[in-house]
Amino acid sequence: KQEVTQIPAALSVPEGENLVLNCSFTDSAIYNLQWFRQDPGKGLTSLLLIQSSQREQTSGRLNASLDKSSGRSTLYIAASQPGDSATYLCAVTPTGTASKLTFGTGTRLQVTL
Amino acid sequence: NAGVMQNPRHLVRRRGQEARLRCSPMKGHSHVYWYRQLPEEGLKFMVYLQKENIIDESGMPKERFSAEFPKEGPSILRIQQVVRGDSAAYFCASSPVTETQYFGPGTRLLVL
Repeated sequence: KQEVTQIPAALSVPEGENLVLNCSFTDSAIYNLQWFRQDPGKGLTSLLLIQSSQREQTSGRLNASLDKSSGRSTLYIAASQPGDSATYLCAVTPTGTASKLTFGTGTRLQVTL
Repeated sequence: NAGVMQNPRHLVRRRGQEARLRCSPMKGHSHVYWYRQLPEEGLKFMVYLQKENIIDESGMPKERFSAEFPKEGPSILRIQQVVRGDSAAYFCASSPVTETQYFGPGTRLLVL
């Protein structure tokens, strides 16, 4: 059974800092891995999707890496801003089909002025 | 192209009542997924449907919960005889064939 863990559970940083969020998964047989953002009381916004054959993806100030063999992914946020404050979720899709996602419990990020 | 739509956004029910949650996928998407987020917990997969078919319901509670995605109209998640433990946010996602899932804003169910 796939299990996804995210560390840390919560993080507070001052504006402008670079930061790294971690995600680990127990079964390396994945189809892809996604990073989402969830704002309080809102839905999920997909930030980055990494296919199992890829090592990283970048979008603006965000960079996500994937090391499938070790079961790890990181989300790097450069020059953090207060608007980045949210909960960040990683989720993996099992091999063979893009069906159910298994989510981590998230990292709650607060960027302070 | 409108995103995934869910309604209602908030739903209050008393114990023993029925809850019906609706999800309209993005245009052109034939795959729908339901997830549940309990308070202070992560999202958990419930069910995966295609038009008129349930593909994977391994995450659905065995009793009181059902889901459908008819040929016409939205997907429906139905919870019969709700209990307080059903209080949660229920998210729907859709995708075209296989690929990225796009999530709706969720329905927040409160059982009194």
